[in-house]
Amino acid sequence: NAGVTQTPKFRVLKTGQSMTLLCAQDMNHEYMYWYRQDPGMGLRLIHYSVGEGTTAKGEVPDGYNVSRLKKQNFLLGLESAAPSQTSVYFCASTEASGAYEQYFGPGTRLTVT
Amino acid sequence: LAKTTQPISMDSYEGQEVNITCSHNNIATNDYITWYQQFPSQGPRFIIQGYKTKVTNEVASLFIPADRKSSTLSLPRVSLSDTAVYYCLVGALMFSGGYNKLIFGAGTRLAVHP
Repeated sequence: NAGVTQTPKFRVLKTGQSMTLLCAQDMNHEYMYWYRQDPGMGLRLIHYSVGEGTTAKGEVPDGYNVSRLKKQNFLLGLESAAPSQTSVYFCASTEASGAYEQYFGPGTRLTVT
Repeated sequence: LAKTTQPISMDSYEGQEVNITCSHNNIATNDYITWYQQFPSQGPRFIIQGYKTKVTNEVASLFIPADRKSSTLSLPRVSLSDTAVYYCLVGALMFSGGYNKLIFGAGTRLAVHP
């Protein structure tokens, strides 16, 4: 049982390039989330999903897109990366039954130059 | 959304008990209080959750007064490995078709010294 995994762990992009971050969970959780964390700050919610095939905007969705084609996977896409998107990205998941514990992945450190 | 306020940083020494207080004056009736711990270069990890009075697990205790406008995370006999950032979150249980956003503030940076 690996929990929540994220791919890749590190990435450097040039401004304008695109990429996709992959999050996978093996706990059969309904809810999945993408957060970003900037230095010295808390986490901010980018997008989330309450089930396969559904997505919704969080607190800071601009510049990102997401997809949840399979229940276990939640993809975060950057179509045209900007330096302001330099951050650490965390994926998380929870059960849909009301349990409030979020299980987080190890994070992806993204640098946009 | 219930806003939380907690100290930016705290210092302690090994073996001491540490209490971190979080204020949440506009907590709603169905909101729960949850604490997470985050080590450098890792994702946050759930510590404890409560609704009222006191909750204890193998890691920590959570004290919530009757008015629920604040809560205190208590870490008994801290060690160097407890050095981390601690986040207090307030929000309602999620339910089918709905979602209550969780707000992670800046958290409290706890430094445990030898």
